Amino acid sequence: AQKITQTQPGMFVQEKEAVTLDCTYDTSDPSYGLFWYKQPSSGEMIFLIYQGSYDQQNATEGRYSLNFQKARKSANLVISASQLGDSAMYFCAMRGAGGTSYGKLTFGQGTILTVHP
Amino acid sequence: NAGVMQNPRHLVRRRGQEARLRCSPMKGHSHVYWYRQLPEEGLKFMVYLQKENIIDESGMPKERFSAEFPKEGPSILRIQQVVRGDSAAYFCASTAVAISSYEQYFGPGTRLTVT
Repeated sequence: AQKITQTQPGMFVQEKEAVTLDCTYDTSDPSYGLFWYKQPSSGEMIFLIYQGSYDQQNATEGRYSLNFQKARKSANLVISASQLGDSAMYFCAMRGAGGTSYGKLTFGQGTILTVHP
Repeated sequence: NAGVMQNPRHLVRRRGQEARLRCSPMKGHSHVYWYRQLPEEGLKFMVYLQKENIIDESGMPKERFSAEFPKEGPSILRIQQVVRGDSAAYFCASTAVAISSYEQYFGPGTRLTVT
């Protein structure tokens, strides 16, 4: 079984500063993918970044980077230069590669990020 | 290329009625996943379908819930005899290939309210 844990129910950051959102995971699959999604107050799910379990380098997408520490089973999201529009709920998710996982996503509980001006 | 479409966006049903939620995947995508998000919670997997086949329904409640993805037309999530606890946001996602490196594209969700 796969499990995602986000231990920060809420985080606050000052505009233009960096913030790290924590995510730890547990799986017995040798191959898996890790995703971060943003859910603004309007409710849609916006894909931010992806990290494969065999990727050698940490993923980056613009202001988003994923701090992947495989031995510690952590996949923290780093947002640099926070903007007011970054205020939203953020979900970490995992996707198995085969067997009976069928590619379904397992989500964490989410972290509400609030960016202060 | 249109994204994943879901309708209706908002649905209000009285207890005991039926709810039908529709999902049209992105063009060329033949894999559809349904997720449910209860208030203040993360998304939970419900069912995974390919055209005309239910592949994994391990997250579906045993009663009142069913899903289909016909050869033609959208995927349908059907909830019979709705109860207040069914009030949630229901998201579908589609992907071209069901392996870990492929992004799942989410629809905007259907917010179901049971009164």
